[in-house]
This record gives sequence, C-alpha cells and structure tokens, in this order.
Amino acid sequence: DTEVTQTPKHLVMGMTNKKSLKCEQHMGHRAMYWYKQKAKKPPELMFVYSYEKLSINESVPSRFSPECPNSSLLNLHLHALQPEDSALYLCASSQGLLNTEAFFGQGTRLTVV
Amino acid sequence: EDQVTQSPEALRLQEGESSSLNCSYTVSGLRGLFWYRQDPGKGPEFLFTLYSAGEEKEKERLKATLTKKESFLHITAPKPEDSATYLCAGRTGANNLFFGTGTRLTVIP
Repeated sequence: DTEVTQTPKHLVMGMTNKKSLKCEQHMGHRAMYWYKQKAKKPPELMFVYSYEKLSINESVPSRFSPECPNSSLLNLHLHALQPEDSALYLCASSQGLLNTEAFFGQGTRLTVV
Repeated sequence: EDQVTQSPEALRLQEGESSSLNCSYTVSGLRGLFWYRQDPGKGPEFLFTLYSAGEEKEKERLKATLTKKESFLHITAPKPEDSATYLCAGRTGANNLFFGTGTRLTVIP
C-alpha cells in the first residue's frame, strides 16, 4: 500500500477565512512533505517534517502554518491567504529523509477568492 | 545552484512510435534521481529511482537510465494511456526533492 490520502479534494476560501488541509499515511513513513504546484509548473517544496519535527521550511509566508500531530498525520493551516495562493497543494511521505522515494497524495485544489 | 532540466517541453507521438525523454541535472550531493508521472489535476505517481551511473530500471513500456549528468526515460511502443506529464526530480543533500519542469507527452491513437 503506497497511499497518501488528502482531504478535502477541493477547497474554496475567502481571504479572511481560516481553513486546514489534512494528509494521512499508514505506511510507517517518518518523513512528510507539503508541496505547492501552480498550473503547468513543477511542484515546489514548502515544508518537510522528519520524525514529527519540522526540518525544512522553504521561506514560506506565515499565513501557511504546518502541523504534524503524529507520525501518520500532517496538517496545513491556512489563514488570510491571497488569490495568488490558489494552487494544487500536494502532500507526500517517504520512509526516511535520504535516498528514499516520496509518494504523493492526489492533492487539494485550493481557490482563494 | 541545483538544477534539473527536462527536454523536450512537449512531445507528440503516434501510438507505437518509441522515443526518449531527457533529464539533465546539476545537483550537489545527488541522493537519487526520481521519475514521476502526473496526470492533470492529480498528484505525481512514483515510477523509478536511480542512484548510480549505469543503473537501469524497467516497468512495462518504460525504461529509465542514468549517467553522471543526465537520465533518460525511454518509452517503447507507447499507447494513448501513456499520455501524461513526466517529471524528473533530484534529491539534494539537503533533502529537497528538486523537480524539473516536466515533459508533456501526448500519444495519438
């Protein structure tokens, strides 16, 4: 089983809203990632968690706040987003940080209005 | 600067017409070269990992190879269902999975 589950699949939110994206994996992976992907562009790394600790933050604005409650769950809390934040948000997990492939979820299509 | 460059940007093939996609990379401390397939609006689907020059891996009509500077994804006798964007990524020493811009493949029946 190489499944990473993301919810919701689609989200429309206003610029003053607070919402959360959720990601879950049951493969025993200890590294989890958030990526942002704009149309016809490659995924760009936002955050990396290793053993439930934030290990990489790629200078992401504070209106995006990640959280890793346990080894199977990863959340991305959203607040006061801008229309340019509209994108496909992808969660991924890997067994470890080094030399291992990452498996991606199907993504959350976020639209900020 | 770490960089992954893919070519061509787009490729149209007739069904059964074999071809190759190219991924050239300059990644410091490369810890694996990865190939993914991505369908529109979906997450990338893992295909292959290559770790050292000379390594080859195969899966159905796809074969990935790696040299010290580039990787190729060979597609033999493609079918329309192989149409997708193929992404190449390098894992850096800092653990960033660094993606190329992809090759958009269309296979015409």
